[in-house]
Amino acid sequence: AQTVTQSQPEMSVQEAETVTLSCTYDTSESDYYLFWYKQPPSRQMILVIRQEAYKQQNATENRFSVNFQKAAKSFSLKISDSQLGDAAMYFCASRTQGGSEKLVFGKGTKLTVNP
Amino acid sequence: DAGVIQSPRHEVTEMGQEVTLRCKPISGHNSLFWYRQTMMRGLELLIYFNNNVPIDDSGMPEDRFSAKMPNASFSTLKIQPSEPRDSAVYFCASRVYGVDSPLHFGNGTRLTVT
Repeated sequence: AQTVTQSQPEMSVQEAETVTLSCTYDTSESDYYLFWYKQPPSRQMILVIRQEAYKQQNATENRFSVNFQKAAKSFSLKISDSQLGDAAMYFCASRTQGGSEKLVFGKGTKLTVNP
Repeated sequence: DAGVIQSPRHEVTEMGQEVTLRCKPISGHNSLFWYRQTMMRGLELLIYFNNNVPIDDSGMPEDRFSAKMPNASFSTLKIQPSEPRDSAVYFCASRVYGVDSPLHFGNGTRLTVT
């Protein structure tokens, strides 16, 4: 079974600073994907970044990057130059490729950005 | 592309009433998911369909919950009878099964059962 764990219920960061959100996962599959979703107060689920497990290179999307440690089953999200608009719930998720392909989420981390 | 469309956006009902939540997936998507979000339990997968067929309903909390997908463009999640503990935000999401495609979410239905 897939599980995703986010150990930080809440985090805060000063505007323009960098913050890292933690995520660990467990899966018995060899082919899978990992994701970070953002949920602002509007409750819309927005895909921030994704990582294919077979790729060693860490994914990057503008100010967002991941640190993917496959052996440790760790997938952290780094937000650089934090902006007020980054304040939201952040969810880590995993999905297998093939088989059920269902997306399993962690419980989320609430990020506050202080001006 | 209109995205995943859910209705209603908000629903307030009294305990014991039947509630039906609706979802229209993105055209061409053949995999549909229903999630429930609460503060205590986060995002839970309730059920998902591939090609209109329910694949895994192990997340459905109890027999009061049922979901259908009569065709590729419509799905419902029904709660009968509703209870206060069913209060949550219910999300529908869709994607293309079997290829590297992202999951697209609707804007959710906030259900309040009094």
